[in-house]
Amino acid sequence: TQLLEQSPQFLSIQEGENLTVYCNSSSVFSSLQWYRQEPGEGPVLLVTVVTGGEVKKLKRLTFQFGDARKDSSLHITAAQPGDTGLYLCAGPNSGGSNYKLTFGKGTLLTVNP
Amino acid sequence: NAGVTQTPKFRVLKTGQSMTLLCAQDMNHEYMYWYRQDPGLGLRLIHYSVGEGTTAKGEVPDGYNVSRLKKQNFLLGLESAAPSQTSVYFCAIKRDSKLFNEQFFGPGTRLTVL
Repeated sequence: TQLLEQSPQFLSIQEGENLTVYCNSSSVFSSLQWYRQEPGEGPVLLVTVVTGGEVKKLKRLTFQFGDARKDSSLHITAAQPGDTGLYLCAGPNSGGSNYKLTFGKGTLLTVNP
Repeated sequence: NAGVTQTPKFRVLKTGQSMTLLCAQDMNHEYMYWYRQDPGLGLRLIHYSVGEGTTAKGEVPDGYNVSRLKKQNFLLGLESAAPSQTSVYFCAIKRDSKLFNEQFFGPGTRLTVL
């Protein structure tokens, strides 16, 4: 069974600070995705990273896929209260079709004004 | 939510009661999923469907049944609700891509079983 471990589990910071959250596994993933879930809503896909070493930017969010494709990180620059939410990483299950995802348990981020 | 709707949004049941959660998509996606989300346990796959008329078990299928009679709808049933089924339930569809499993989620159903 492939597992995705996310750290930290909780993070509370002040507006304007930078932060990095991590998603790690002992397994190789063909791709990894990041989702953000706001309170009371469903997860929303932010990005998919595919190539080892790949870096993708989405405004103030920078996503990196590890060279060995076993880990990923999300860096937020100058965090804002609107960034508050649960950040989930997910990757396709190995073997056969990629129609099932393994999710990490998430990092709950609170950005205080 | 990419056209994924869930009904109802909230529900309170007594132990032993039954109910059906409805997930509907306004597109033509083949793959649909039911997850439950619990504190400390994350998102767990209950059942999924790879097309009309097909269903398969996920990680935590016990106590639930599903049906996909129409491509647009995926129903999740609880025949005899238990307090352990108190959770937030999410339906998701997979974007049609042979390369990636990018999923789009509905807004969720909050279920409390007393």
